[in-house]
Amino acid sequence: EADIYQTPRYLVIGTGKKITLECSQTMGHDKMYWYQQDPGMELHLIHYSYGVNSTEKGDLSSESTVSRIRTEHFPLTLESARPSHTSQYLCASSDDREGQPQHFGDGTRLSIL
Amino acid sequence: KNQVEQSPQSLIILEGKNCTLQCNYTVSPFSNLRWYKQDTGRGPVSLTIMTFSENTKSNGRYTATLDADTKQSSLHITASQLSDSASYICVVIDRGSTLGRLYFGRGTQLTVWP
Repeated sequence: EADIYQTPRYLVIGTGKKITLECSQTMGHDKMYWYQQDPGMELHLIHYSYGVNSTEKGDLSSESTVSRIRTEHFPLTLESARPSHTSQYLCASSDDREGQPQHFGDGTRLSIL
Repeated sequence: KNQVEQSPQSLIILEGKNCTLQCNYTVSPFSNLRWYKQDTGRGPVSLTIMTFSENTKSNGRYTATLDADTKQSSLHITASQLSDSASYICVVIDRGSTLGRLYFGRGTQLTVWP
């Protein structure tokens, strides 16, 4: 079982609040990812990181930001939440070897009122 | 346009029966293809990874096939169990970028009834 953890699992919060979704992994993986997933739809990559101090935007435009100060930690922040940010956010990590799977956390289900 | 198409969108079967899920892709150049199982409220978990040269790979009651010429893959589940109820996601990775870009299907929602 993969050791990647996301908190909180569920969050219901009002519009305009600042939100940070936490993601930590204990596998020493350099690569980490954030995906957004809506019901019945495919996962969309919103951010990724090759390692410490590396962050890149993914395919899906997102108003969120990320940071990678430590290998094991890859938090995602929304400065001012809006109802359009309501979704499930999945964090994943993988090592550098070709063909290795991404290990996913259980996600944060975010609802903005 | 999604480059990974899965069918059927949803499927209901009785416990103990077999089923086959399909994945067609247009991703090129191809690196590998993965099947993930996603339980409700959980993150996806890898079932199989198949490279260009592999035709069949098994993981317990799950058997994946790959035809790289026709760009089709299938996931066969044998003797289904209630715990197999989940979304099964096909993921294709290209080798045209250093990231190894992942293309996700929308998944097949499988429900196993007792």
